[in-house]
Amino acid sequence: GIQVEQSPPDLILQEGANSTLRCNFSDSVNNLQWFHQNPWGQLINLFYIPSGTKQNGRLSATTVATERYSLLYISSSQTTDSGVYFCAVGRLMDTGRRALTFGSGTRLQVQP
Amino acid sequence: DTAVSQTPKYLVTQMGNDKSIKCEQNLGHDTMYWYKQDSKKFLKIMFSYNNKELIINETVPNRFSPKSPDKAHLNLHINSLELGDSAVYFCASSQVEGGVYGYTFGSGTRLTVV
Repeated sequence: GIQVEQSPPDLILQEGANSTLRCNFSDSVNNLQWFHQNPWGQLINLFYIPSGTKQNGRLSATTVATERYSLLYISSSQTTDSGVYFCAVGRLMDTGRRALTFGSGTRLQVQP
Repeated sequence: DTAVSQTPKYLVTQMGNDKSIKCEQNLGHDTMYWYKQDSKKFLKIMFSYNNKELIINETVPNRFSPKSPDKAHLNLHINSLELGDSAVYFCASSQVEGGVYGYTFGSGTRLTVV
């Protein structure tokens, strides 16, 4: 199966700082998503980004599919950004085979 | 309205019992899933299902079985619960629309087996 590696595993930031989270994957994919799991355990879909660049407020993501990596940028971090960020990948093949393979996550703590 | 809802939110039960977790989505998505998150936060697919096909992760014990009465519901039945089944179980649904792959998770069910 596809292997997904995320780095760094842990990250501590001061409020206002910027950060870059990385996701490497071992095979070609046509589905890549970033999720945020907040401290209450809720998983929120941030981006669907199999290739290219997207931005949503202070967050942006870039995927270079040919080089098998994706980056999540967090600018001007806030304490509410704390939690675990997951990269998940998959291959959209037949209907029903859309399960995602998750990386082990980056645990982010933003301190005031 | 909650898009993907799971019940119960917490479940504490004894070893050997049989339990069910319910999941409902009101998004009209065509595929539903069950994921397991262990104590180290690692998320792993258990099942994916739509009205045509059930895909079972080969590592899932056959004590676990999904039941789907209709396309908006995917329940998880667990027989003969073991201590190692303690985890958070997430239901999710997805649909491809306009080239965008929407994926929504429920809030999770924390299962504790004692």
